[in-house]
Amino acid sequence: QKEVEQNSGPLSVPEGAIASLNCTYSDRGSQSFFWYRQYSGKSPELIMFIYSNGDKEDGRFTAQLNKASQYVSLLIRDSQPSDSATYLCAVKPGRRALTFGSGTRLQVQP
Amino acid sequence: DAGVIQSPRHEVTEMGQEVTLRCKPISGHDYLFWYRQTMMRGLELLIYFNNNVPIDDSGMPEDRFSAKMPNASFSTLKIQPSEPRDSAVYFCASSLFAGSNEQFFGPGTRLTVL
Repeated sequence: QKEVEQNSGPLSVPEGAIASLNCTYSDRGSQSFFWYRQYSGKSPELIMFIYSNGDKEDGRFTAQLNKASQYVSLLIRDSQPSDSATYLCAVKPGRRALTFGSGTRLQVQP
Repeated sequence: DAGVIQSPRHEVTEMGQEVTLRCKPISGHDYLFWYRQTMMRGLELLIYFNNNVPIDDSGMPEDRFSAKMPNASFSTLKIQPSEPRDSAVYFCASSLFAGSNEQFFGPGTRLTVL
């Protein structure tokens, strides 16, 4: 079992819709969770992170954690074509380094 | 700050040749990470350093891979001998300290081994 799993997609949503991205993680001791965005041919960049004590909203982005089910979600409201990218979920299991999922490709259709 | 700098940006080599990838982290960052990204395996951590000391190299695929950090501003990842299955994008990233929430990635080196 991979430590962090994501559906590879592509997830296709129309412009203006809500895009919902999910990942599951295996280490129950994980305390912090990250979402990175990676445009094609570019390097990953951090867009949001949350700790195990709560959800977080930042503009059009909301990150949510379900500890009981061990999954993290990223909601993108009012999706724009510029949001089209691969979204990487990453988990920090205790004191170890980040572990990344393989990413979900999001396509926002104009 | 210029961000994380990697060189070369592209490398094409033949099987059996030695390849050296270079990274300059952001000044003041204590942690440096080397990743490999492929379509099949996603983004994999190869090794990371804290204050120039290797902390976890369990992701290094085999003895053909080696990494060094001789000082706080420079690291190398070497593959000797290279094989076609090593073809990937190799990213270097740095972060400020252990509890830092953000790793800053370099632009990557696209390696093609023929």
